[in-house]
Amino acid sequence: EVHLVESGGGLVTPGGSLRLSCAASGFTFSSYSMNWVRQAPGKGLEWVSSISGDTNYIYYADSVKGRFTISRDNTKNSLYLQMNSLRAEDTAIYYCARPPAGSRHFDYWGQGTLVTVSS
Amino acid sequence: EIVLTQSPGTLSLSPGERVTLSCRASQSVSSYLAWYQQKPGQAPRLLIYDASNRATGIPARFSATGSGTDFTLTISSLEPEDFAVYYCQQRINWPLTFGGGTKVEIK
Repeated sequence: EVHLVESGGGLVTPGGSLRLSCAASGFTFSSYSMNWVRQAPGKGLEWVSSISGDTNYIYYADSVKGRFTISRDNTKNSLYLQMNSLRAEDTAIYYCARPPAGSRHFDYWGQGTLVTVSS
Repeated sequence: EIVLTQSPGTLSLSPGERVTLSCRASQSVSSYLAWYQQKPGQAPRLLIYDASNRATGIPARFSATGSGTDFTLTISSLEPEDFAVYYCQQRINWPLTFGGGTKVEIK
């Protein structure tokens, strides 16, 4: 059974940094691209970033480009999101999401981790 | 960026009613559109992928059609557990984008 478990969220001051992790199990991690999707409180879903299984393809939303870095460690079945220069508008639940092989919709989601950017 | 516009924003309905949700894209997404259901405090759940294909375990009362720029999700007869927010998402272009959501609430 596929499991995605996010961690690393918390309260951070504006301009600060945070690193999110997503531990994956139940599938061959290196064979799948992985994504981060976020949801601000009371708002809709926003795709943040994607990384291919071999790390050759990486994409970001314009809203985070230059500030966030997605990475993965296929030996540890883990996905990461390094978030720098955080802003109040980055406050959200961050979900780790996996698409089916070769696709870009999301059939598996983690439970999310809350990031709050506030002074 | 492809903008997805969902309508209406909120629907107030009773169990047993039929509901049709709309998602319109700012440019063609072919059939590369998915629908998700999200309940309070939960992660989204995939309902439909590639415009009309039900995801694993999704009941037959959920159906969807469309291609190009206009898509619909239909719930044939609302069950109590169907009251939730529904999102569409396109996957044809980066950045991947979601619609703003339609809330289906109990009347």
